[in-house]
Amino acid sequence: DAGVIQSPRHEVTEMGQEVTLRCKPISGHDYLFWYRQTMMRGLELLIYFNNNVPIDDSGMPEDRFSAKMPNASFSTLKIQPSEPRDSAVYFCASSSSVGGNQPQHFGDGTRLSIL
Amino acid sequence: AQSVTQPDIHITVSEGASLELRCNYSYGATPYLFWYVQSPGQGLQLLLKYFSGDTLVQGIKGFEAEFKRSQSSFNLRKPSVHWSDAAEYFCAVGAQGNEKLTFGTGTRLTIIP
Repeated sequence: DAGVIQSPRHEVTEMGQEVTLRCKPISGHDYLFWYRQTMMRGLELLIYFNNNVPIDDSGMPEDRFSAKMPNASFSTLKIQPSEPRDSAVYFCASSSSVGGNQPQHFGDGTRLSIL
Repeated sequence: AQSVTQPDIHITVSEGASLELRCNYSYGATPYLFWYVQSPGQGLQLLLKYFSGDTLVQGIKGFEAEFKRSQSSFNLRKPSVHWSDAAEYFCAVGAQGNEKLTFGTGTRLTIIP
């Protein structure tokens, strides 16, 4: 089975540029999560969706960050404009609610460097 | 609100020795507990989970964990580590009916020959 697929794996861009991270969840999963991982702050939940609807975006750091899930098989996390402090590894994860509280399955992440 | 504490930031173990990684949680009801492993450059992989029932759960790669309600702990163990076990290990807690997980800060495991 294909796991969670994230693209790109690496992104290097200059500050002020728009960055778009992409995620394809596991087929059939109805929850999708976006996390950010840094040395200083560890793993932070940014936002999560249920059936394509954002449920909790309290972890989104500021208005420069936005996330969408136009359909069950695709989500984006956008940063505009990007800043050096946004440099981190961004993970997408998905899970199924069938059976209740199933584990989250993670993608391999996007390593983002803002110069 | 739930919380997770992993008191050990870094642990070094000799290959072949036993391992125990500590995890303490805070949650009012019965928690859902998970251990994940992260190898360099990769995402988090589920090792094992506890929802209910037998308090000793078996996972992949020879790992096990024991839920102890009286100590609010869910420690991860392995009887004999292999060099390939070197990685970062995360404990996470969830609540029934809430798909959000709260992760600990992780424990980095180094294996020496």
